[in-house]
This record gives sequence, C-alpha cells and structure tokens, in this order.
Amino acid sequence: ELKVEQNPLFLSMQEGKNYTIYCNYSTTSDRLYWYRQDPGKSLESLFVLLSNGAVKQEGRLMASLDTKARLSTLHITAAVHDLSATYFCAVGRGSGNTGKLIFGQGTTLQVKP
Amino acid sequence: DTGVSQDPRHKITKRGQNVTFRCDPISEHNRLYWYRQTLGQGPEFLTYFQNEAQLEKSRLLSDRFSAERPKGSFSTLEIQRTEQGDSAMYLCASSSTGTSGSPYEQYFGPGTRLTVT
Repeated sequence: ELKVEQNPLFLSMQEGKNYTIYCNYSTTSDRLYWYRQDPGKSLESLFVLLSNGAVKQEGRLMASLDTKARLSTLHITAAVHDLSATYFCAVGRGSGNTGKLIFGQGTTLQVKP
Repeated sequence: DTGVSQDPRHKITKRGQNVTFRCDPISEHNRLYWYRQTLGQGPEFLTYFQNEAQLEKSRLLSDRFSAERPKGSFSTLEIQRTEQGDSAMYLCASSSTGTSGSPYEQYFGPGTRLTVT
C-alpha cells in the first residue's frame, strides 16, 4: 500500500527565512504533486513533477523530485505572510497520464511578521 | 473555462438522512474524482470515473455510498443513512487523459462541507 509522509507537519517561521518541507513516498510513481490549501478552501495546484531530477519554481516556492530516493521537497525562500497555508504533496497512481492521488498529511505553514 | 463546480457548498443533515452532492467538472475533462477530507487530514480518494464508467472504488467507500456519472458529464455522490463519522469535506476533481493543455493536472472544486448532527 502506498504511503505518503510529510514532515514537518507544522512549521512556524519568521518572514524572510528559508525552509524546506519534505515528502517521502513508499512505492515508485511517475507523478508527484504539490497543492496549497487555505483554511476552509479547496486545493490549489502548485506543481506537477514528472521525472527524476525535475525542478519547478514559482515565486518563492521551488519543488524538486528525486524518484530514486522517493523524495520530493518544497523549498520556501524568504517567506512572506501570504505563504501561510497548508501544503500537501500527493503521489499519482493508476494508468495513463492521470489517476487517483494519494495525499500526505499536510504541512501547516505559519509565517510570522 | 469555468472550473470545477460543486453543489451544495454546505449541507447540514440529521443522522440517518440521505444526502446527495453534485459535481460539474471542467467541460472537456473525461475523468472525474471524488475525495473526502476530514479536519486536519489530507484528502482521501473515494472513487473515480472515466466518462460514464466507474473505474475504481476505495475500500473506504461503504455500501451506504454510491456515485454515478450517467452521461459522462456531471456526477452525483449519494450517502444513505448518514452517520456522524460522515462529516467531512467532499471534494470533486477532474482531469483529462488527452494530450492538450495540462494532461497531468487534477483540478479541484470548492468542495461540499457535510455536517451530520
């Protein structure tokens, strides 16, 4: 059974600091997703990583994938308050280019001024 | 492109009642997914359709849950004889198996929050 684990589960950080969220998964997959969720809201797609060594960046967020280590990271650079949210990684399963997603527990990020 | 929509956004029901939720996917998307999310947890997969065919159901989906996508467009998720443990956010997502656009993306709707009293 595929398991997806994130750490840390909660992260409180000062504005301007850097930090990394880790996502480990237990079986091979060719698709790794990062989503953002604000309280009471739905999921917003951030990144889809499709190959070993893939790196994608958007603003202060950068995601990478190491399929051999079954590890993805989400790096936050010079955090700002607007980044406060819960971040989920998810691993794609199933056939074709889409299929069900197995989610981690989420990392709640709190950025303090 | 109007995105994934869900109705209702909130539902409060008494234990033992039946409830039905609707999901309208992005119009050209042939795959539609249902997930359930409880407080403080990541979404859990329930079931998905490709066109009108239900391709997979999670073991989480008890016999009280049924989902349909009769014409390959919108989908409904029905919960019979609701229990307090069914209280959760029910999320719908859609995607395309085609090669245009962003074929690997799953786009989520706003969710239906169910409270069973």
